Amino acid sequence: EVHLVESGGGLVQPGGSLRLSCAASGFTFSSYWMNWVRQAPGRGLEWVATLKHDATEQYYVDSVEGRFTISRDNAKNSLILQMNSLRVEDTAVYYCARNRGAALDHWGQGALVAVSS
Amino acid sequence: DIQMTQSPSTLSASVGDRVTITCRASQSVNSWLAWYQQKPGKAPNLLIYDASTLESGVPSRFSGSGSGTEFTLTISSLQPDDFATYYCQQYNTYQVTFGPGTKVDI
Repeated sequence: EVHLVESGGGLVQPGGSLRLSCAASGFTFSSYWMNWVRQAPGRGLEWVATLKHDATEQYYVDSVEGRFTISRDNAKNSLILQMNSLRVEDTAVYYCARNRGAALDHWGQGALVAVSS
Repeated sequence: DIQMTQSPSTLSASVGDRVTITCRASQSVNSWLAWYQQKPGKAPNLLIYDASTLESGVPSRFSGSGSGTEFTLTISSLQPDDFATYYCQQYNTYQVTFGPGTKVDI
């Protein structure tokens, strides 16, 4: 069974940094593109970043380009989102999600990131 | 970027109703469209991909149609478990975008 478990969320001040991790199990992690998707409180879903299975291609939503970095460790079945220069508007639940084709067929339970002074 | 819109934003319905949600793209996404269901406090759940393919394990009362810029999600007979928010998502480009959501309530 596919499992995705996010960790690393928390409260951070504006301008600060946070690193989210997603532990994957139940499938061949190194074969799949992976994503981060976020949802601000009471709002809809927003795609954040996508990373190819071999980490040779990555794509970001414009609002995080240059501040966030998506990476992976295929030996450890782990997806990472390094978030720098955080803004109040980055406050959200962050989900790790697996691509199948390009739809997102499995999601983690989410990690809350709160940016506030 | 491709912009997605959904209508209606909220839909009031009853058990047994046939429900249709529309999703429109600002430019053609071919058939690269998915539908998700989300319940409060939970992660989204994939229902339909490639516009009309039912995800494994999803009840057959859910169906999707459309191509290009206009798509629909239909629930043939609404069940109590279906009260939730529904999102469309295009993946015609690497810059994936979601629609704003349609909340289905009583």
